[in-house]
Amino acid sequence: IAGITQAPTSQILAAGRRMTLRCTQDMRHNAMYWYRQDLGLGLRLIHYSNTAGTTGKGEVPDGYSVSRANTDDFPLTLASAVPSQTSVYFCASSPALGAYGYTFGSGTRLTVV
Amino acid sequence: AQKITQTQPGMFVQEKEAVTLDCTYDTSDPSYGLFWYKQPSSGEMIFLIYQGSYDQQNATEGRYSLNFQKARKSANLVISASQLGDSAMYFCAMRGLFSNTGNQFYFGTGTSLTVIP
Repeated sequence: IAGITQAPTSQILAAGRRMTLRCTQDMRHNAMYWYRQDLGLGLRLIHYSNTAGTTGKGEVPDGYSVSRANTDDFPLTLASAVPSQTSVYFCASSPALGAYGYTFGSGTRLTVV
Repeated sequence: AQKITQTQPGMFVQEKEAVTLDCTYDTSDPSYGLFWYKQPSSGEMIFLIYQGSYDQQNATEGRYSLNFQKARKSANLVISASQLGDSAMYFCAMRGLFSNTGNQFYFGTGTSLTVIP
């Protein structure tokens, strides 16, 4: 089934630890995104990639890094987790610029303690 | 600047009644798309409906319709004949079309809809 796979589904992480959230899509979409969802704040963009080999910062990039070595994978890394990074993280993709909606992954629930 | 505003944190509707979820937006892009997503308690994001800024007619998808008023910069979602399964969080989102500054979506803070039997 075509779509986006995120892993892990949920994680409890000690503060200060490094963590990589994985995101893989099989739709050959050019653009990929990472959002965090927090109650009352909606979804906020962390980082994005318009095409393989390029990345850009979103609204809330601090404390996060991404890479886009190929079309399919877009991992999100927390170098040293802090409790304020407790959130639900969604990976999404879209074909290109234009009138396309997102395809979302099922989300990763991360708790930093 | 791009901004989406949803002013209704929570809404209640009687089963089989219609309900309107409000969304206003601000954008500097001359062409843009407006989207509504549904997020049930299970957490996944489900695409509902799309409206292009250049579309002459309001979008409809089954029981969902989008009341697009470009001059007022509003894109309200209308759900007709509400069902218990419509209880969920609803997000309005916007993206600039053919923008060179990034094609990411901007989301509102969401409206929680509860359908009452």
